[in-house]
Amino acid sequence: DTGVSQDPRHKITKRGQNVTFRCDPISEHNRLYWYRQTLGQGPEFLTYFQNEAQLEKSRLLSDRFSAERPKGSFSTLEIQRTEQGDSAMYLCASSPGAVSGNTIYFGEGSWLTVV
Amino acid sequence: KQEVTQIPAALSVPEGENLVLNCSFTDSAIYNLQWFRQDPGKGLTSLLLIQSSQREQTSGRLNASLDKSSGRSTLYIAASQPGDSATYLCAVHTDKLIFGTGTRLQVFP
Repeated sequence: DTGVSQDPRHKITKRGQNVTFRCDPISEHNRLYWYRQTLGQGPEFLTYFQNEAQLEKSRLLSDRFSAERPKGSFSTLEIQRTEQGDSAMYLCASSPGAVSGNTIYFGEGSWLTVV
Repeated sequence: KQEVTQIPAALSVPEGENLVLNCSFTDSAIYNLQWFRQDPGKGLTSLLLIQSSQREQTSGRLNASLDKSSGRSTLYIAASQPGDSATYLCAVHTDKLIFGTGTRLQVFP
């Protein structure tokens, strides 16, 4: 069990560029979550997958954001036409099983700075 | 809409003190509640998970209680140490985790 892995850990990009983050969940975890966290705040829910199906998307996930989980394994979160307000840490998490309420395990996060 | 509140927002104590961190939530329809620790610039480390049918969970010097009917949870840290310095987050499970804003704890020698 290597834990939830996120890549890259840090990304600095110019406003208007596209960025993509990758998350590898714990092996055989069915559920995968994306959160966003800004300084001094708790993580905010963005979206989650049950295997390859995207079950819920937050209103925070504007049309510039897209997440995928092909084949129900790793996931990607893409942000198009980045804005300074997108600067945050993007956290990925996973949990086992197909029901809510199991322990959720987080990765180390991917820091995004938009300049 | 579920809202989670944590008080105090920040706490600074000398080593050895026993601490209580508070978490409240507005909707008691939860599966369970999870406490996390977050070090600066890092991800979240799960500390304790309390099922909605349970009243408390213990791990080492940590004890978390849950009163679902009143929408409250407390995290008790016994004999605090400088290494406990971090931000502590509580989160309620619905079909996803909903977080509070955290309590920033500093334990000084």
